[in-house]
This record gives sequence, structure tokens and C-alpha cells, in this order.
Amino acid sequence: NAGVTQTPKFQVLKTGQSMTLQCAQDMNHEYMSWYRQDPGMGLRLIHYSVGAGITDQGEVPNGYNVSRSTTEDFPLRLLSAAPSQTSVYFCASSSRTVSYEQYFGPGTRLTVT
Amino acid sequence: GIQVEQSPPDLILQEGANSTLRCNFSDSVNNLQWFHQNPWGQLINLFYIPSGTKQNGRLSATTVATERYSLLYISSSQTTDSGVYFCAPIPGSARQLTFGSGTQLTVLP
Repeated sequence: NAGVTQTPKFQVLKTGQSMTLQCAQDMNHEYMSWYRQDPGMGLRLIHYSVGAGITDQGEVPNGYNVSRSTTEDFPLRLLSAAPSQTSVYFCASSSRTVSYEQYFGPGTRLTVT
Repeated sequence: GIQVEQSPPDLILQEGANSTLRCNFSDSVNNLQWFHQNPWGQLINLFYIPSGTKQNGRLSATTVATERYSLLYISSSQTTDSGVYFCAPIPGSARQLTFGSGTQLTVLP
């Protein structure tokens, strides 16, 4: 079991560029989510999904898109990167049936210049 | 939404000391998780605890959901305990975690 994996680990973008942060889990978890963590703060929810084909917005969704075509994958897309999106991004997953305990990936550190 | 307050914001200990971290939350919760974020940024699950007390080695946690707080106890602290400790309740029927601002713990040798 690899758990929750994220790629890339580090990324530098120029303002206006687009990119996709990848997240995958091999635990057959239905629930997946994306958080961002800014310096000195806790994590804030961007988007989440309760199953394939179903997504919803969290606390800070602006500037980000998601889709969920498979149970395993939940990519996060930045359409036009802005310096305010400089942050560390974490993906998490949990089961809908066993418990609500969420497991986090190692994070992606994104810098937008 | 639910408000989460963690105290103290910063804590410095000598190795071997004990400590208690507190998490207050404003609404009823289905469950609550405690995490340790190590100096490399990795989030480590410590406890998943809706109510009652759980223990794992030198760490234990107690949640009193009716009074809307949770406590994390660290005994005989070690330098590897350094990092940020986050409390994250799961409110009501939601599935999403709401994170507090964390307690920055530094354990000195």
C-alpha cells in the first residue's frame, strides 16, 4: 500500500501559467480532498469529492478546478496561476464506510513568481 | 462554520518534560483528528478520537465532545516530538476537517 501519493513534490510557475497537481490513492477510498497550507497556518479545504463523478467546493475554491473520473485519482488544476496561490498543497482520502479518518499525502510545494 | 482554537500557540520544553495541548471547538462534532506536522512538512496521523481517551505510547488524547474540547498529552518529550500539532474536528454531518492554527512545539535537548 503506497497510501496517498502526490506529484510533483516541488513546482515553480510563472504568473498566468497552468498546471495540474496529481493525487492518487490505492486504499479504495471514496472520499478525497485538497487542502492548501500557507505559512504559519492550518490547512484550508479547496475542493473535495465523495466519489467518482462527484465534486464540491470547500472554503477556498477560487482559481482551482477538480474532476474525479476514477476512485483512485483526484487531480487539482490551476488554470492561470497567481502569486497568491503560492502554498503547500495536500491531498487526503478517507473511507465512507470504515471510518472518517483522513490520510494525507506528502504535499506539493508550489511557488508562483 | 465551526471555529477551532488551539492553545498554547507556542511551547518550548526541555527533553523529558510533559505537556498538554488543548483544542476548543465551537460546534458539535462527529469526530476529531490530531496530527503532528514534522519539520519536513509531513502530516502524521496521531489520533482519530470522537470521544473518550486513547493512548499510543507516550501520547494520549481525550475528547469531551459535550464540552467541545480535546486534549493531547505528551509525556517524557523527545526532540523528535518537535513540530506543529494540529487539531481538526469534523463538524456535524460533514466529512471535511476544519483545522486549528496549531501548536508549535520545540523540544530542546
